[in-house]
Amino acid sequence: GAVVSQHPSWVICKSGTSVKIECRSLDFQATTMFWYRQFPKQSLMLMATSNEGSKATYEQGVEKDKFLINHASLTLSTLTVTSAHPEDSSFYICSAREGNTIYEQYFGPGTRLTVT
Amino acid sequence: SQQGEEDPQALSIQEGENATMNCSYKTSINNLQWYRQNSGRGLVHLILIRSNEREKHSGRLRVTLDTSKKSSSLLITASRAADTASYFCATPGAGSYQLTFGKGTKLSVIP
Repeated sequence: GAVVSQHPSWVICKSGTSVKIECRSLDFQATTMFWYRQFPKQSLMLMATSNEGSKATYEQGVEKDKFLINHASLTLSTLTVTSAHPEDSSFYICSAREGNTIYEQYFGPGTRLTVT
Repeated sequence: SQQGEEDPQALSIQEGENATMNCSYKTSINNLQWYRQNSGRGLVHLILIRSNEREKHSGRLRVTLDTSKKSSSLLITASRAADTASYFCATPGAGSYQLTFGKGTKLSVIP
């Protein structure tokens, strides 16, 4: 149980285009989803917290107009990187918190974004 | 800002040996978690230890927590090649149910 999927697993896009990444909780309802960014050989940095039906809360330094987050249902959250630039190339990971699990987060497999 | 700091940054051991990783944090916490990440993959939750617990076991994993020293350790006994991964400690973040991750320890288990 507690499986989180991400799609796509990797994507290459041209500079200036937008890319959408999906995060789904497959067998549970996620009251909260989180989006992280991870650069090579570094730790995960929280970008934003997403609650179903409400606006995402962005961490300091994360541009909300550039990284659009939509949490349309209890099983789906999407991250859209708008007008992508090469410096946006990174590994994006989502996680979800199950309603009756207080602290643990269940992570998706990640999406490797490369902007050329 | 990062709360946890793992030590060592990298660890290489022979299969069958024990691996110990340490995590130090700065502020008071009510729980600490350890996660594992295989290369290019998402994280897998290993174990959670609460502030009122000193030690916890799960299979070959043993976690300790010393709140007076603001530190935790993860011990993997009888390591296997499949244990090769990066290991992160995570402490509660500023927001509700947020996590702040340390920099991680990269463990290599040589067959």
